[in-house]
Amino acid sequence: EAEVAQSPRYKITEKSQAVAFWCDPISGHATLYWYRQILGQGPELLVQFQDESVVDDSQLPKDRFSAERLKGVDSTLKIQPAELGDSAMYLCASSQTSGASYEQYFGPGTRLTVT
Amino acid sequence: LAKTTQPISMDSYEGQEVNITCSHNNIATNDYITWYQQFPSQGPRFIIQGYKTKVTNEVASLFIPADRKSSTLSLPRVSLSDTAVYYCLVGPNNAGNMLTFGGGTRLMVKP
Repeated sequence: EAEVAQSPRYKITEKSQAVAFWCDPISGHATLYWYRQILGQGPELLVQFQDESVVDDSQLPKDRFSAERLKGVDSTLKIQPAELGDSAMYLCASSQTSGASYEQYFGPGTRLTVT
Repeated sequence: LAKTTQPISMDSYEGQEVNITCSHNNIATNDYITWYQQFPSQGPRFIIQGYKTKVTNEVASLFIPADRKSSTLSLPRVSLSDTAVYYCLVGPNNAGNMLTFGGGTRLMVKP
């Protein structure tokens, strides 16, 4: 069964450093999502791509976060500089956009700890 | 966007049927109702999706009344491995619209 791949699985970084996360969606999935999940809360959508275009990034803290999906396949989420409050699980998901299915397939996530 | 309200937590015992209800009073005409399951340190996993009446798959059933202002996820004969957080989402079926996960319902299945 195809899966969404994410790396690294765990990342520890110091405050003010730069950090990047990578996601490879399921082949053929045009829509890609990045979520942030703070412990004990539900996932919060940060950015949504349709192919290589950003569809919605209204919840992305653009002063420090950036996301790209240059060729419409894999994607990178970057934080620079990292702050203590960025400690969370960062989840990537993908979905097909045609038809009636709204199912999102999530990756295993990257657990970020900022010290 | 339709807001959802679910119980924060529920307890059950192995072998019992569990029903988790989600309220979504301002659901829109083109909104679907989708449920996800999440285990600790894993990404959420799709369980079931519906628009109206009843939907059943190999793991769960989803009951949606005619007014669609609520929905109930039914898990038959739960086991310890069903202990997880269950999220109800309501949203349109096309790209370009934000999805909102609420706090979810933490289900604890006891032996």
